[in-house]
Amino acid sequence: QQQVKQSPQSLIVQKGGISIINCAYENTAFDYFPWYQQFPGKGPALLIAIRPDVSEKKEGRFTISFNKSAKQFSLHIMDSQPGDSATYFCAASHSGGGADGLTFGKGTHLIIQP
Amino acid sequence: DAGITQSPRYKITETGRQVTLMCHQTWSHSYMFWYRQDLGHGLRLIYYSAAADITDKGEVSDGYVVSRSKTENFPLTLESATRSQTSVYFCATRRSRAETQYFGPGTRLLVL
Repeated sequence: QQQVKQSPQSLIVQKGGISIINCAYENTAFDYFPWYQQFPGKGPALLIAIRPDVSEKKEGRFTISFNKSAKQFSLHIMDSQPGDSATYFCAASHSGGGADGLTFGKGTHLIIQP
Repeated sequence: DAGITQSPRYKITETGRQVTLMCHQTWSHSYMFWYRQDLGHGLRLIYYSAAADITDKGEVSDGYVVSRSKTENFPLTLESATRSQTSVYFCATRRSRAETQYFGPGTRLLVL
């Protein structure tokens, strides 16, 4: 059972455009939703994260939108740049009970065309 | 500040051999994790540890063994490597329950 579903699998955006990646989760106990960015040959690095008490969080060109009732959250990259070309993973976890790690989506390969 | 180091970075082994992947952190974070990354599957949790001498299985733990005698080290052992264990393995740490998880650079393992 895949608990975090991510789409699209790959995405091509023109430089300056908006990149949008979507995720949906099933476990209502999840209370932490990070996005990770991964460049080839590197480990994932935290990009931005949100908790369910807010509907949106913005850090520079990166924004997370969160819809608790729909159990969905998305990453928006404004003014996308070639340097943003990477694989992006959404993830989720819950802070209660046990020391579980993150449950990841399968990733989105983003290409920003100059 | 080295953060998280993994060794070796690349490893080629044969089916049936025992392989140990090392993970070392300099932050004294309580939590440590092992993930494997495969095309089409994203990252999947193998094992995690909340503290020294406390470990538990993740989603894909079959064929793997871990230990954590010291806070800073969390080795992952493949007792008898199989071709299906060819993957990129990432170690991660987290200071406390509600905080960010940090990933190491990864170990690329090929089982022939």
